[in-house]
Amino acid sequence: QQPVQSPQAVILREGEDAVINCSSSKALYSVHWYRQKHGEAPVFLMILLKGGEQKGHEKISASFNEKKQQSSLYLTASQLSYSGTYFCGTKEAGNQFYFGTGTSLTVIP
Amino acid sequence: GAGVSQSPRYKVTKRGQDVTLRCDPISSHATLYWYQQALGQGPEFLTYFNYEAQPDKSGLPSDRFSAERPEGSISTLTIQRTEQRDSAMYRCASSSLGTLGTGELFFGEGSRLTVL
Repeated sequence: QQPVQSPQAVILREGEDAVINCSSSKALYSVHWYRQKHGEAPVFLMILLKGGEQKGHEKISASFNEKKQQSSLYLTASQLSYSGTYFCGTKEAGNQFYFGTGTSLTVIP
Repeated sequence: GAGVSQSPRYKVTKRGQDVTLRCDPISSHATLYWYQQALGQGPEFLTYFNYEAQPDKSGLPSDRFSAERPEGSISTLTIQRTEQRDSAMYRCASSSLGTLGTGELFFGEGSRLTVL
């Protein structure tokens, strides 16, 4: 039930780009993306609904392919503030909500 | 309330004791989730409520764990006969009950449980 994310960890220099992938074995109704900084609660970034749409938030965007049950988060021109652990979250038919395995992102100067 | 509130923020207990954690969700939110988050790990689903109904308890690790939301607002998570492996951050989140595919989760600050 828990979505699998890749990579597990990534280190970037400021200004570099990254892609985080999320894959589920179950049919998905929506995919959420959250960022959690050390010692804090997860913070919502965006929701993607069925339809393969791509959404954006500042320089962070994402796509959702419901046929493949996959979503990807794109971070462009990364900033130091982007550091944290990124989780996808998937909502299933019964309103259960599962977080992915997580991707630790570190941006260095 | 304006945000999700959890109490206590920190709880230290001895093995074998019972503990109860409380979550006060955003007042307009029908759906409430409980998660367990170990250090360095992602939030693990425990259970959720739609108003007072609890459709899924499958994530509760054992029958020592139980949750209630009797009036569809405040919820409690009770762990009986605590064990050291129960030590974790327990997070509550609430969301609106929209159509499928909507409803971001709003998290509380969490309750950190340490079992000695």
